[in-house]
Amino acid sequence: QSALTQPASVSGSPGQSITIPCTGTSSDVGGYNYVSWYKHHPGKAPKLMIYEVSNRPSGVSNRFSASKSGNTASLTISGLQAEDEADYYCSSYTSSNTPLCLFGTGTTVTVL
Amino acid sequence: EVQLVESGGGLVQPGGSLRLSCAASGFTFSSYNMHWVRQVSGKGLEWVSSIGTADDTYYADSVKGRFTISREIAKNSLYLQMNSLRAGDAAVYYCAREGTADVTFDYWGQGTLVTVSS
Repeated sequence: QSALTQPASVSGSPGQSITIPCTGTSSDVGGYNYVSWYKHHPGKAPKLMIYEVSNRPSGVSNRFSASKSGNTASLTISGLQAEDEADYYCSSYTSSNTPLCLFGTGTTVTVL
Repeated sequence: EVQLVESGGGLVQPGGSLRLSCAASGFTFSSYNMHWVRQVSGKGLEWVSSIGTADDTYYADSVKGRFTISREIAKNSLYLQMNSLRAGDAAVYYCAREGTADVTFDYWGQGTLVTVSS
């Protein structure tokens, strides 16, 4: 199975909203509500931002929201801030035992 | 406070072996599924292996037969024995705890770098 598809980069000005799509198949994103999103600075520990499609862990800003439609999940960052600059990855449970989960190709968010 | 600290990375020749460790603290280690995820330089995250609370194990096709995941409850430690290493295995390896939702990784370590080169 291939990685989930994300745009390589998305940018926006401070205060704007951006949306990152994550496209999979019916065997992963479309088939299960186990889609997560992670914020990652290379060399540091990734941080869980969204789980089970649209749930925010405690401590994550409500500027982060997410949803799913068919085989595509989306992460929206509202009120973009400089601290939001990072790589963002989606992930999904898959119907196969190998891999157990698939990650997206990753999107670099740049705040202009 | 939940902490995951990886160690054991380093430089190894192609065909060589390395054992990664992940020291866990701040939670009941035996009650959680644990995973290894890697990131090749300049590439995305890739799930590698997992071990369940019943010691059931799972592997990515790319490492099956070469890597072995295990845990030692008494030491609150997760391991990844990596044999027959290839250039393509060079990456930062992260250990991650699976939270309450399937394959949702709620805590991660900082990673340990594995370099495979002659």
